[in-house]
This record gives sequence, C-alpha cells and structure tokens, in this order.
Amino acid sequence: NAGVTQTPKFRILKIGQSMTLQCTQDMNHNYMYWYRQDPGMGLKLIYYSVGAGITDKGEVPNGYNVSRSTTEDFPLRLELAAPSQTSVYFCASSPQTVRNSPLHFGNGTRLTVT
Amino acid sequence: AQSVTQLGSHVSVSEGALVLLRCNYSSSVPPYLFWYVQYPNQGLQLLLKYTSAATLVKGINGFEAEFKKSETSFHLTKPSAHMSDAAEYFCAVSETASKLTFGTGTRLQVTL
Repeated sequence: NAGVTQTPKFRILKIGQSMTLQCTQDMNHNYMYWYRQDPGMGLKLIYYSVGAGITDKGEVPNGYNVSRSTTEDFPLRLELAAPSQTSVYFCASSPQTVRNSPLHFGNGTRLTVT
Repeated sequence: AQSVTQLGSHVSVSEGALVLLRCNYSSSVPPYLFWYVQYPNQGLQLLLKYTSAATLVKGINGFEAEFKKSETSFHLTKPSAHMSDAAEYFCAVSETASKLTFGTGTRLQVTL
C-alpha cells in the first residue's frame, strides 16, 4: 500500500535550471495538493487540484506550474529555479474535501537551489 | 481571511508531564480546525479535527483539543508526555472546503 509517493527525495539545482517534482497516489483520491515547507513558516499551499483536468493556484504559485492529466499523478514544474525556491516540498491527497477527510502526505522532496 | 497563530515555536517538557500546545484562530464564521503532527523526515498526519459537533475533541495517541469560542482558541493537550511524542505540531484552519491554511508549527521536545 504505497499511498502518496514523491520523487526524487533530494535534489540540488543550479539557478536557472528546471525540473519536475513527481507525485503519484494509488488511493484514487480526487483532491491533490502541493505545499512547500520553510523553517519557522509552516506549510504554504502552492497549487491544488480537485480532480483530473482541474488545477488552481494556492498562496504561493509564482515560479511553479502543475498539471493533472490523470487522477493518480500531480507533477510540479519549476521552470527557472531561484534560490528562493530552496525548500522542502510536500505532495498530499484526500478522497474528499479537507473538511471531511484527512490529507495523506508523501515524505517530501528536499530541494536546494544554488 | 481565516488564519491560525501558534504561540511558541519550541516547547520542552519532561516525560510524564502535561503537554500544552497553543493555537488561536481568526475567523468570522464557525471554523473548521485541525491539528496535524509531523515526525522527523516524514509528511504530516492528522491528529484530530473540530467541526462543531463537540467542543472537546479526542484524537490519536492520547491527544485532545478544546474549542473555546470566547478565547478563539483550540489548544492541544496530552496529560502525560512520552518520548515518542517528540515531533512538530501544526494547527490548521479550513477557510474553504478545498484548502487548509497551516500555522507556523510548534516543535515539541520531550526530555527524560
């Protein structure tokens, strides 16, 4: 029972490079989320999706893009990496709205941009 | 906009002592409130949630939280701390059905 799987676990990028953080879930959840976690700042919502083909911006979407072509996958794209994007990124999913069901988190991707 | 404020970024207690982690909310309507826990190198997991059915909410691992409207608070407590409770704890509020807004977190240290 894999749950929410994030790859890679760690990555170092140079400024200006691009990359995709992968997230896949095997629970057939409709709702998926991307958060970033910075020390002392809690978690900030980047993007979320309420179902395949539907995405929406969260609090801090600048510099990121997402797509949701299938129920299972919700990749996060960084086009031009900047030092401000150094963070730990968490993907999460839930079967219903956050008020009615808990978020299931992956174990995170630690990204450093230098 | 709804928000939560967690007082104290670090709390240290002795094993067996009371755990009290503070959370105050800001909301003009009855809020949906949550506590999540993050163990080292893991994602978050739900401890408990308040949805107006009862003011005292019991969660997993012996934790509970009391909703106090007069104080706009939703503090997390546990009568007796265990070493395995060492983690970071996040209070959160659901402003819309699709989104959670998290507080800045409180790291709990448990000492012998």
